[in-house]
Amino acid sequence: QKEVEQNSGPLSVPEGAIASLNCTYSDRGSQSFFWYRQYSGKSPELIMSIYSNGDKEDGRFTAQLNKASQYVSLLIRDSQPSDSATYLCAVNRQLTFGSGTQLTVLP
Amino acid sequence: DAMVIQNPRYQVTQFGKPVTLSCSQTLNHNVMYWYQQKSSQAPKLLFHYYDKDFNNEADTPDNFQSRRPNTSFCFLDIRSPGLGDAAMYLCATQEGVSNQPQHFGDGTRLSIL
Repeated sequence: QKEVEQNSGPLSVPEGAIASLNCTYSDRGSQSFFWYRQYSGKSPELIMSIYSNGDKEDGRFTAQLNKASQYVSLLIRDSQPSDSATYLCAVNRQLTFGSGTQLTVLP
Repeated sequence: DAMVIQNPRYQVTQFGKPVTLSCSQTLNHNVMYWYQQKSSQAPKLLFHYYDKDFNNEADTPDNFQSRRPNTSFCFLDIRSPGLGDAAMYLCATQEGVSNQPQHFGDGTRLSIL
């Protein structure tokens, strides 16, 4: 079993819709969870970090963490074409990454 | 304003010819990481330094070495690059023992001829 798994995608949503990205992890002792956005040919860029159960909102982005079920998700509201990128879920200090979900927002 | 700087952005080397990639940081972070990312794959941790303490991932090939002469600089040496080593190499830093996120440089794209 992979340590961090993401819905494989690719995922396409129309502009203005909500994009939902999901991630599960195997290490029940994990403490820190991150979502990175990566444009093609660029390095990962942190968009959200979450450490406690529940929701964390930052602008159009909401991260949700459920440690009992070992999943973390990212919701992007009012999706824009500029949100088109690969989204990487990462767990713990040394960043075990999921394989990423490629999101395309269609104008 | 760049805080984690990788040089060069693009590096081309010949099969079997040693190559060194560099990373510098202005954040004064204790921890520095090197990742390898191949096309359409997630970044894979190669090794990291906590101050001067070197930590190698179990599956990192012996062909890959690293040096950290001081807090600000870290180098990735590939002793005999093979075609399979063509990838983006990412350097990242992190503050101490915290769970704070890592800060990535822009990466070096390595091509092997």
